[in-house]
Amino acid sequence: RKEVEQDPGPFNVPEGATVAFNCTYSNSASQSFFWYRQDCRKEPKLLMSVYSSGNEDGRFTAQLNRASQYISLLIRDSKLSDSATYLCVVNRLGGSTLGRLYFGRGTQLTVWP
Amino acid sequence: NAGVTQTPKFQVLKTGQSMTLQCAQDMNHNSMYWYRQDPGMGLRLIYYSASEGTTDKGEVPNGYNVSRLNKREFSLRLESAAPSQTSVYFCASRDLQGGGFNQPQHFGDGTRLSIL
Repeated sequence: RKEVEQDPGPFNVPEGATVAFNCTYSNSASQSFFWYRQDCRKEPKLLMSVYSSGNEDGRFTAQLNRASQYISLLIRDSKLSDSATYLCVVNRLGGSTLGRLYFGRGTQLTVWP
Repeated sequence: NAGVTQTPKFQVLKTGQSMTLQCAQDMNHNSMYWYRQDPGMGLRLIYYSASEGTTDKGEVPNGYNVSRLNKREFSLRLESAAPSQTSVYFCASRDLQGGGFNQPQHFGDGTRLSIL
């Protein structure tokens, strides 16, 4: 089983729509969680960290459910500029993998006018 | 504000040639990473260096070697390039020592490598 699994999409939504992405992780020892954004042929960039209590950054809301080993990202009022691939990222602790991040394959979002 | 700098940005090699991809970070991060990204495969970890003086294999280390030259620099070497190594290579760094596991990785803008 993969460390991090995401629905690859693609998600195609109109401007102004609300869209949600889900992600599951396999190892309960995972300690920290992130969402990254990657534009076509560019490097991944941090979108936001995910905290246990959930957190919001403008139009973006991230939630963590440790019991279900599930992370979500909600985007409200989608903009054309939100079109990108969204990567779910998990840090697992312990042993030889100390400090290593595990990346999902990404969910592709296209926002159309 | 250079962050993570990778060189070269593009390279074309012939099968069997060797080359070294360079990566340097100016953020005083202790951990550095090399990934490759292929269509439909996502990011795959090749090697990482949790701190200066240490290196460890990731998911796909075969055909590669790394050197953590100092705290700033982490290079990736292809000794005998193969067409299967055609990919986009990303270097990343992370401040585990100062910031702990809640610190994200910061990426360079990639090296696009083609092996003919």
